[in-house]
Amino acid sequence: DAGITQSPRHKVTETGTPVTLRCHQTENHRYMYWYRQDPGHGLRLIHYSYGVKDTDKGEVSDGYSVSRSKTEDFLLTLESATSSQTSVYFCAISEGNSGNTIYFGEGSWLTVV
Amino acid sequence: GQNIDQPTEMTATEGAIVQINCTYQTSGFNGLFWYQQHAGEAPTFLSYNVLDGLEEKGRFSSFLSRSKGYSYLLLKELQMKDSASYLCAAPIAWGGGNKLTFGTGTQLKVEL
Repeated sequence: DAGITQSPRHKVTETGTPVTLRCHQTENHRYMYWYRQDPGHGLRLIHYSYGVKDTDKGEVSDGYSVSRSKTEDFLLTLESATSSQTSVYFCAISEGNSGNTIYFGEGSWLTVV
Repeated sequence: GQNIDQPTEMTATEGAIVQINCTYQTSGFNGLFWYQQHAGEAPTFLSYNVLDGLEEKGRFSSFLSRSKGYSYLLLKELQMKDSASYLCAAPIAWGGGNKLTFGTGTQLKVEL
């Protein structure tokens, strides 16, 4: 158990509505990540954080924003959800040194209708 | 940039041995990870190779050849519970951490 909690675990929302997914860790790890996983594409990095208020874009960041005001929480926001953002979202953490393992949360299943 | 390739699907028999290959092209290479992911669950860590050679961990072993950009995951004495997707991932070092890039995964089906 890597001490990562994602919420909500399942959500159905309408197109155009804002959605926030929360990732909470109890490991005090410096590095946190948001990935999405879709058939045929595998896991793709959306945004990542290397410290409080320090974030950067991943390869599929359009339409997403993140915030990290505390070490333990990393929020992913869809400002105006679209059907293309229907996906499974995984939060992950790592201690940060080169070669350290990345651990994943349980996932959040988001459906945009 | 980086490309990570692995077969989409494989089928093997319970009790047998299966080898799942992964080839990669990365800049700033910093080792290679293997994860296992059962349907509807999160990926879980299996192995990390940073040096060439074979690393064994119970029924699972992982091999790396940096000069060839090649890795494989070897599963022995296959069990039905090994049916899962196996993800190959290459970490790119940045700011002291790792930014993992994943292959699309190999779906392994273990049959009786």
